[in-house]
Amino acid sequence: AQTVTQSQPEMSVQEAETVTLSCTYDTSESDYYLFWYKQPPSRQMILVIRQEAYKQQNATENRFSVNFQKAAKSFSLKISDSQLGDAAMYFCAYDQTGANNLFFGTGTRLTVIP
Amino acid sequence: KAGVTQTPRYLIKTRGQQVTLSCSPISGHRSVSWYQQTPGQGLQFLFEYFSETQRNKGNFPGRFSGRQFSNSRSEMNVSTLELGDSALYLCASSFSGSLYNEQFFGPGTRLTVL
Repeated sequence: AQTVTQSQPEMSVQEAETVTLSCTYDTSESDYYLFWYKQPPSRQMILVIRQEAYKQQNATENRFSVNFQKAAKSFSLKISDSQLGDAAMYFCAYDQTGANNLFFGTGTRLTVIP
Repeated sequence: KAGVTQTPRYLIKTRGQQVTLSCSPISGHRSVSWYQQTPGQGLQFLFEYFSETQRNKGNFPGRFSGRQFSNSRSEMNVSTLELGDSALYLCASSFSGSLYNEQFFGPGTRLTVL
């Protein structure tokens, strides 16, 4: 069974600084997708970034980037130039290709300090 | 384009009752997935519907059921409610289940069972 582990329940970062959130996963599949979702207090789940397992290049979206280590089954999220609006719960998620069945980690609560 | 809508947003029921939650996907999306979010169990996949057919099902008891209509709107039903069913129920829609299609989440329905 697929499992996703986030070992950091809480993290904090100074505004404008950089923070890295960790995620590891376990799967026997070779084709899959990995995601980072953000859930602010409004509870609306928002996709931050995604990574296709077959791509070696790490995904980037503006201030957000990932470090995808397929062999180590590691998928960390780096947030650069942190902003107050980045404060939220961040969930790492796995989806087998075409399954539309997301497996989520337990989440990391990120606090941004002004 | 309107986002995913869920109704009602909040619901209070008592043990033993049944409840029906509704999800309207983004126009043109044919896949709807349902998730349960609780503080203890985190985010868990319930089931996914595509073109009125259930394609995937998570590890939940038979009290949890769903269906999808020809316009892709989906409902989930929980019968004989238990206290542990109190949760935020999220639905997500995507265009289809082939390869990758981003799942867009609704705001959720907060169910409280007394």
